[in-house]
Amino acid sequence: ILNVEQSPQSLHVQEGDSTNFTCSFPSSNFYALHWYRWETAKSPEALFVMTLNGDEKKKGRISATLNTKEGYSYLYIKGSQPEDSATYLCAFMTGNQFYFGTGTSLTVIP
Amino acid sequence: DVKVTQSSRYLVKRTGEKVFLECVQDMDHENMFWYRQDPGLGLRLIYFSYDVKMKEKGDIPEGYSVSREKKERFSLILESASTNQTSMYLCASTPGTTSEPYFGPGTRLTVT
Repeated sequence: ILNVEQSPQSLHVQEGDSTNFTCSFPSSNFYALHWYRWETAKSPEALFVMTLNGDEKKKGRISATLNTKEGYSYLYIKGSQPEDSATYLCAFMTGNQFYFGTGTSLTVIP
Repeated sequence: DVKVTQSSRYLVKRTGEKVFLECVQDMDHENMFWYRQDPGLGLRLIYFSYDVKMKEKGDIPEGYSVSREKKERFSLILESASTNQTSMYLCASTPGTTSEPYFGPGTRLTVT
């Protein structure tokens, strides 16, 4: 079982604050890194798929970066809104297997 | 849009009961997966299937079995439910081995 870690485990921020969290994964046998947003009572929703070292992806106020050499990815949320409250999961893909992180639970306080 | 559905959102069962969790996908995906999610542990793979009647153990198969009689349906079976199987169970499917998973909404199972 590969170790994929996310930090922090949970986060409370005020509306309007910007925030970021980390996904750490093995730096060898990398194929792809996936980010998901999982809102309560809904299916996890794919945010980004990142495959190249140095990749940066953006979707509205959310962006992500990737460093495959050192084995980490950052997810940034600019100007957090209450609707951003969710658990954010990363998944490290090697070969045909996915290994999920523990998730970061974000609560945005109005 | 890919649709992955799970038969129940919430389920409460007693210790020792046989429990069936059903998952159905409507996009003709080859691969289907069952995960469980527990606080602080992330998603852990229980079983997966690359084809009808095919199954492979994941990281934590003990206490579970699966059935895939039709391509669109993948069932997770708890032969004799125990309290340590109280968890959120997620089903997922992918069209290929290197494609991202599409998830169902999850079943929160409580075993008392």
